[in-house]
Amino acid sequence: AQSVTQPDIHITVSEGASLELRCNYSYGATPYLFWYVQSPGQGLQLLLKYFSGDTLVQGIKGFEAEFKRSQSSFNLRKPSVHWSDAAEYFCAVALSGNTPLVFGKGTRLSVIA
Amino acid sequence: DAGITQSPRHKVTETGTPVTLRCHQTENHRYMYWYRQDPGHGLRLIHYSYGVKDTDKGEVSDGYSVSRSKTEDFLLTLESATSSQTSVYFCAISDSSNTEAFFGQGTRLTVV
Repeated sequence: AQSVTQPDIHITVSEGASLELRCNYSYGATPYLFWYVQSPGQGLQLLLKYFSGDTLVQGIKGFEAEFKRSQSSFNLRKPSVHWSDAAEYFCAVALSGNTPLVFGKGTRLSVIA
Repeated sequence: DAGITQSPRHKVTETGTPVTLRCHQTENHRYMYWYRQDPGHGLRLIHYSYGVKDTDKGEVSDGYSVSRSKTEDFLLTLESATSSQTSVYFCAISDSSNTEAFFGQGTRLTVV
């Protein structure tokens, strides 16, 4: 079955430290890939997306993600985390054609001083 | 934020009662979606629509129905609410099925 896996349920990092959130998918073809962020009590906001081309994509708030076809991964990174980055992060994929987004279960990020 | 309004934002209802949640968009997007969010499950698709009167089931459609009589409105109905339907419900819209979706602020539904 097609699926999206975020292996880390909860990650804690120190402010100023680097961050990497993992996302793996299992689809036959290369899907369209997204990262969303959700602050407490809020809806989801798109951080970045990959459709094709350069496998390193830049997003908002200083985030970037790298698509690695050989590993079926689309990991999210940030070189220096700020306290305001504490939130839940969701990886999502969509296939071409009439198929909706499928989400991973999310990774909750905590930031400590 | 994209022009998406969910109503109500909060609702408490009793088991066995019908409940309708509304999603209204001002973006004229073709696709509309209903997801539910539960701890440990992420967002799961309930139903979606790819045009007026065109809908399809998602991963967790049992106990839910939808209607889309106008481009701008997508209704989610719980025919007979159960405690397992206590959740946060999100509406989303997109231009096509494989571009980014824009999300509403969510509706917190509690079934007691």
